[in-house]
Order: sequence, then C-alpha cells, then structure tokens
Amino acid sequence: GAGVSQSPSNKVTEKGKDVELRCDPISGHTALYWYRQSLGQGLEFLIYFQGNSAPDKSGLPSDRFSAERTGGSVSTLTIQRTQQEDSAVYLCASSTRRDVVYEQYFGPGTRLTVT
Amino acid sequence: GESVGLHLPTLSVQEGDNSIINCAYSNSASDYFIWYKQESGKGPQFIIDIRSNMDKRQGQRVTVLLNKTVKHLSLQIAATQPGDSAVYFCAENKPGRGTGRRALTFGSGTRLQVQP
Repeated sequence: GAGVSQSPSNKVTEKGKDVELRCDPISGHTALYWYRQSLGQGLEFLIYFQGNSAPDKSGLPSDRFSAERTGGSVSTLTIQRTQQEDSAVYLCASSTRRDVVYEQYFGPGTRLTVT
Repeated sequence: GESVGLHLPTLSVQEGDNSIINCAYSNSASDYFIWYKQESGKGPQFIIDIRSNMDKRQGQRVTVLLNKTVKHLSLQIAATQPGDSAVYFCAENKPGRGTGRRALTFGSGTRLQVQP
C-alpha cells in the first residue's frame, strides 16, 4: 500500500522567503510527526498531531515554524523568513496509535536548502 | 544534558560477517528503545525495538541487547549483506509529559559499510 509521501522532495529557497512542506500520511493513521534532520545528525522532533487533540509544538525551534493538519490527514509545515540554519531534511512520520512510537512510518523527506 | 550517542560513526565490515553497532544513552527514565535503518535518500525504517524490562530481543538476522546497568544498547546484525549498508540510529523513548506523545530522542547515527 501507499506509504507516507512528502512534497516537494527538494526545495531551494532564498533566505527570507517562506516555504511550505507537505506531508500525506498513511490513510487512517491518526498520529503525525514532523522531524528535522541536519546533515550527519539524528532526527530532531518538531511537532506532533494526534487526532483532534491540540498539537504538541514543544519541538518547534522558533516562532517562524508552524504546522497544521487539515481534516486529520494532510499536514503542512511552514517556515517563515527562512534562515540558512533551517537547511535540513524535514521528515514526516505517521502512526496508527497514540503512544506507540515504533509504529511510526517515515516519508522520504523534503531536503530544504536555504541560500 | 540527557542524550543518546553512538560510539562509532562508521563501521566497515565484510559481507557475511556479523556487525555490532553500539549506542549509549543517559536517561534512566527511558523505557523503550528503537533501532532505525536509514538508506540514502529515504526516511528511517524501523528495525527492532526493546522495552526496558528486557535484556535481549531477536528479530530476523538482528538482535538488540540492552544493558541498563551501563546504559548501553547494541544492534547485532548476523551475516551482514550489502543491502544492510545504511546509517543506523538508536532512539530512546521517554514517556511524554501528559501529552500522550512519546518523545523519541535520536542518536547521531552510525554508518555501516558492507564490503563485498
């Protein structure tokens, strides 16, 4: 079946511009996570959505970062006024269960380059 | 601060040999550990997990060992194959602070290179 998809796969943007990254989770998955992976580093948690509950935004690095999830499915991560340090691979994962992390299925990521 | 780290950034093995990838963690409250495999250009893929009340868990060609005394986690891959070449991440899981979310803390990864 279809896995988690993300778009675009690559995004190059100029410093100061806004970008939107999209995640299509696996159908029926109620939990959705966004992570950031800098070059040669592990994954850094950004934000978590679970059903209709308020999202856990505790990992967002600044107020330039925001995310929404419409209709409990597709999610968009928005970065405003991008900075060079925002360059990274942004990974989305979805899960069927609220509190069982091993069922997180990851998308291929969006590679963001801020010039 | 609390962290998850890896002893070796790169591990090179011969095809057919066994591989051992190590990971240290520092958070005694972590109750769940996961190994992920990440191939180039792809997202991480779950390999195997272990709960803190266990010392060992086996999967297909993989075994995870947990030593809580020294806060050490290892991933053993038997009869390593070229397809095993990837970056391997360990991750620890701490119960969320009332949010219901399980927070994963990832290590920086070990690159496994399998020589044919």
